[in-house]
Amino acid sequence: DADVTQTPRNRITKTGKRIMLECSQTKGHDRMYWYRQDPGLGLRLIYYSFDVKDINKGEISDGYSVSRQAQAKFSLSLESAIPNQTALYFCATSDPRTSLLLSPYNEQFFGPGTRLTVL
Amino acid sequence: AQRVTQPEKLLSVFKGAPVELKCNYSYSGSPELFWYVQYSRQRLQLLLRHISRESIKGFTADLNKGETSFHLKKPFAQEEDSAMYYCALSVAGNQFYFGTGTSLTVIP
Repeated sequence: DADVTQTPRNRITKTGKRIMLECSQTKGHDRMYWYRQDPGLGLRLIYYSFDVKDINKGEISDGYSVSRQAQAKFSLSLESAIPNQTALYFCATSDPRTSLLLSPYNEQFFGPGTRLTVL
Repeated sequence: AQRVTQPEKLLSVFKGAPVELKCNYSYSGSPELFWYVQYSRQRLQLLLRHISRESIKGFTADLNKGETSFHLKKPFAQEEDSAMYYCALSVAGNQFYFGTGTSLTVIP
């Protein structure tokens, strides 16, 4: 089955370390997203990419960077991790098929999540 | 600015009782609204979207533009409905804004 995978699933690191979270998908979708989930704050968008040449900042991009290596791969990097980046990180994909003004198929497909702890 | 508000963090109902999860949004354009659900140990997944006007697992949600609401309703809650529910707003088909989520517990 076409899927969205994330590696690693869990990671514990120390303040100041560089961390990369990877996302791969076999759905053939052009659009990919990175979110973080914090208790009481829900999901917040970090970065999104509509194709390999298109990268956009989301709500909370400070302290993060991304790389879209291919249609199927979208990596999130923390250049110098800090404790308040401890969170659950989700990758998602979508394949909107626009119809005039609306995107009736604009569903997002989520990966299993990566639990990151920064000590 | 908070674009999606879910006022209830926790909601408990008895099995067979009606359930309503509230969602209000803030957006001046034409909204695309969704409900996502995360069952225990499962991925976040789409439950329903307003444009489809569908009923999934007995849940419905009606977009009320006057009240800027998209409340999720089910007339008779089941134990398997216990999960985390997120309301989401898609802006111009690009960015998604999620609410803070409501954890629903259905008591047997």
